[in-house]
Amino acid sequence: EDQVTQSPEALRLQEGESSSLNCSYTVSGLRGLFWYRQDPGKGPEFLFTLYSAGEEKEKERLKATLTKKESFLHITAPKPEDSATYLCAVLSYAGNQFYFGTGTSLTVIP
Amino acid sequence: GAGVSQSPSNKVTEKGKDVELRCDPISGHTALYWYRQSLGQGLEFLIYFQGNSAPDKSGLPSDRFSAERTGGSVSTLTIQRTQQEDSAVYLCASSLGAGAGEAFFGQGTRLTVV
Repeated sequence: EDQVTQSPEALRLQEGESSSLNCSYTVSGLRGLFWYRQDPGKGPEFLFTLYSAGEEKEKERLKATLTKKESFLHITAPKPEDSATYLCAVLSYAGNQFYFGTGTSLTVIP
Repeated sequence: GAGVSQSPSNKVTEKGKDVELRCDPISGHTALYWYRQSLGQGLEFLIYFQGNSAPDKSGLPSDRFSAERTGGSVSTLTIQRTQQEDSAVYLCASSLGAGAGEAFFGQGTRLTVV
């Protein structure tokens, strides 16, 4: 079965302190890997799609990268408004559903 | 519409009652998903609709759960004889089609069974 593991579960950063979130995956034929941001009481908000190893996507302070076994979400000089839970999901050619990790809860302290 | 719309946003029901949750996907999106998110848990897949094809019901936890999608658009998730363990946030998402990339989520319906 397809599987996604995210680490760390929680991360506290000082404002401006760059770091990376990890998403390790096992999938039978990767169709796509997806990053979402989720704020408390809201639905997940789409951030990035990555399709093949070596691909990178950027948006403001966030950059997502992909290898054959894992993806990283790099956060450069984070601000308090970046505080949220970041979810990773995979979609395989073998099925219809997105498999989600349990997320990394990020807190950025002013 | 501009995004995925879910209603109600909150629902409190008594144990044993039936509930219906509604999802209005993004216009033109043929794929529709229902997920469940319990406190501190990851997103749990429930059901997937693609166009006029038979839905993938493999994630429904029991026969008390059912869903339909009328006219390839609006979907309703029905939970019969609700139990306390059904309390969760129910999320709906839509995408352009099977394997067509990212899914966009609604705000969810928070269901509390008392």
